[in-house]
Amino acid sequence: AQSVTQPDIHITVSEGASLELRCNYSYGATPYLFWYVQSPGQGLQLLLKYFSGDTLVQGIKGFEAEFKRSQSSFNLRKPSVHWSDAAEYFCAVDRLNQAGTALIFGKGTTLSVSS
Amino acid sequence: SQTIHQWPATLVQPVGSPLSLECTVEGTSNPNLYWYRQAAGRGLQLLFYSVGIGQISSEVPQNLSASRPQDRQFILSSKKLLLSDSGFYLCAWRAYRTGIYSGNTIYFGEGSWLTVV
Repeated sequence: AQSVTQPDIHITVSEGASLELRCNYSYGATPYLFWYVQSPGQGLQLLLKYFSGDTLVQGIKGFEAEFKRSQSSFNLRKPSVHWSDAAEYFCAVDRLNQAGTALIFGKGTTLSVSS
Repeated sequence: SQTIHQWPATLVQPVGSPLSLECTVEGTSNPNLYWYRQAAGRGLQLLFYSVGIGQISSEVPQNLSASRPQDRQFILSSKKLLLSDSGFYLCAWRAYRTGIYSGNTIYFGEGSWLTVV
């Protein structure tokens, strides 16, 4: 079965510093991968997704992610973090080949931004 | 454009009382619909999904049930709430695309906070 691991529960980054959030997936074929962001008490917003092709994917709000098949990873990056980026970030893999295909999420990484 | 509405936003219910959370999607037809639950430190857990009216699949055996009486309406229910049912419940939808759903973005509602006391 597909699964997603986000090794970091909580990360603190200084405003203006770079950010990398880790995500590892378990899936036998090329997965469909997603990153979502959740502000406190809110629903989830899609940042970016990867299907195939270029392994570096650009998303909204200046985020990007790189798919590395050899490492089964799909890490999220941002070159310069803003205070408004403080939120919870979820990596997800698509559960394929089923009529009720759904996203399977990691447990999330909480990002705090210090001034 | 498509929108998703979920209500109520917040509710506090006593143990043993019933539950009904409702979700509707506008601007699309035949979507896949989902209920997820989010508990602290546990990420998002898929509870139910539906590929059509009256078609419900349960992912996790539990005290909850779901129904889809109309194409764009998805309801989460319980006859008797448990303390462990507390959490943040998210409804979501995904567009149907030429016979498959895979890869389409899943869009989430704003969520419902349930506290069982």
